[in-house]
Amino acid sequence: SQELEQSPQSLIVQEGKNLTINCTSSKTLYGLYWYKQKYGEGLIFLMMLQKGGEEKSHEKITAKLDEKKQQSSLHITASQPSHAGIYLCGADGSGTYKYIFGTGTRLKVLA
Amino acid sequence: NAGVTQTPKFQVLKTGQSMTLQCAQDMNHNSMYWYRQDPGMGLRLIYYSASEGTTDKGEVPNGYNVSRLNKREFSLRLESAAPSQTSVYFCASSEAGTGGFGYTFGSGTRLTVV
Repeated sequence: SQELEQSPQSLIVQEGKNLTINCTSSKTLYGLYWYKQKYGEGLIFLMMLQKGGEEKSHEKITAKLDEKKQQSSLHITASQPSHAGIYLCGADGSGTYKYIFGTGTRLKVLA
Repeated sequence: NAGVTQTPKFQVLKTGQSMTLQCAQDMNHNSMYWYRQDPGMGLRLIYYSASEGTTDKGEVPNGYNVSRLNKREFSLRLESAAPSQTSVYFCASSEAGTGGFGYTFGSGTRLTVV
């Protein structure tokens, strides 16, 4: 079965620093999704990537999907305390309804 | 606000008790899902309903049952709760089955089984 591995598991950065979170799949990704979860709350959809080499940005967050469609990265520029939370990647690699998630990356931004 | 509403937000059960987690969405989505979130294991799919009238097992269905009551509502039932079912439960919905537009999640139910 397909698995999604995220790295790092946790990250503490100083406000203003850039950071990158990675998501690696054991199989080709048909759709890769990034979500953010604030502590104790539900997940908020950030963006979706489908095509190899695709890149999308929203405010200071940029996500990329590699050409082979097996790895995605989420990059935050000039981090702020509001970026703190858990970032999860999700995928429907088999094209079914069995959407899977990575284990998440906990981000803390120090003011 | 439009979205996914889950009830209750918190629940403590004794081993062997039963309960039903409720979920309702007002976005006219066809597909609905139940996930559990455990430390170090991410989100795991329990059951899903691709459309009204259909339900199917996910990755970890044992000990759970579901009912797609109508297009809006999708409930999760624990017949005989066990400590291993202590978790945070999330309901989600999507417009397209493969989640092409992203899932909308509820705020979760924190369940503790003692």
